[in-house]
Amino acid sequence: EAQVTQNPRYLITVTGKKLTVTCSQNMNHEYMSWYRQDPGLGLRQIYYSMNVEVTDKGDVPEGYKVSRKEKRNFPLILESPSPNQTSLYFCASSLRGVASPLHFGNGTRLTVT
Amino acid sequence: AQSVSQHNHHVILSEAASLELGCNYSYGGTVNLFWYVQYPGQHLQLLLKYFSGDPLVKGIKGFEAEFIKSKFSFNLRKPSVQWSDTAEYFCAVYGQNFVFGPGTRLSVLP
Repeated sequence: EAQVTQNPRYLITVTGKKLTVTCSQNMNHEYMSWYRQDPGLGLRQIYYSMNVEVTDKGDVPEGYKVSRKEKRNFPLILESPSPNQTSLYFCASSLRGVASPLHFGNGTRLTVT
Repeated sequence: AQSVSQHNHHVILSEAASLELGCNYSYGGTVNLFWYVQYPGQHLQLLLKYFSGDPLVKGIKGFEAEFIKSKFSFNLRKPSVQWSDTAEYFCAVYGQNFVFGPGTRLSVLP
């Protein structure tokens, strides 16, 4: 089944403790992206990647890192999480960024205390 | 820079009422346009998309949207809503990158 898989679904952590949220897609998509969803703000893009080893900042990249060493994986890294990074995170992918709709993962709800 | 605005934060309708959700974008170049739906507790799913051609596009579940280039708009419509349409709706634009609007929450009363 074609899908975007995120793990974990729920994560509670403390300020400053490094964490990684994984994202994997099995559709051979070139484009991958991370979003955070906050009430009243919709989805805001954190980072995106047009292809392997090609990543770019989105609208809210501060406090996050990503890597794209393989086409299928696009992990989101929080080196030193802070409470303002408490949010619902979505990974998404598409075949070609320009002309293909996004396929979303099921989301990761992160709480930083 | 691209931006997307959605006219309504929260819309409340009774079943069988007609729906129109507004979406406007700002971008000077060619765009691809999307509407996504997020049912409670779920991830976003594609409702419909516009790439080129007929500006009136039909999507799943009886939804349609009209692209009006002169108004930079891509409004979503459905002639008769159902309780199961209760969800959050996001307009999205791809010009240089994907940009989402803030979303409109639709509540349909049975």
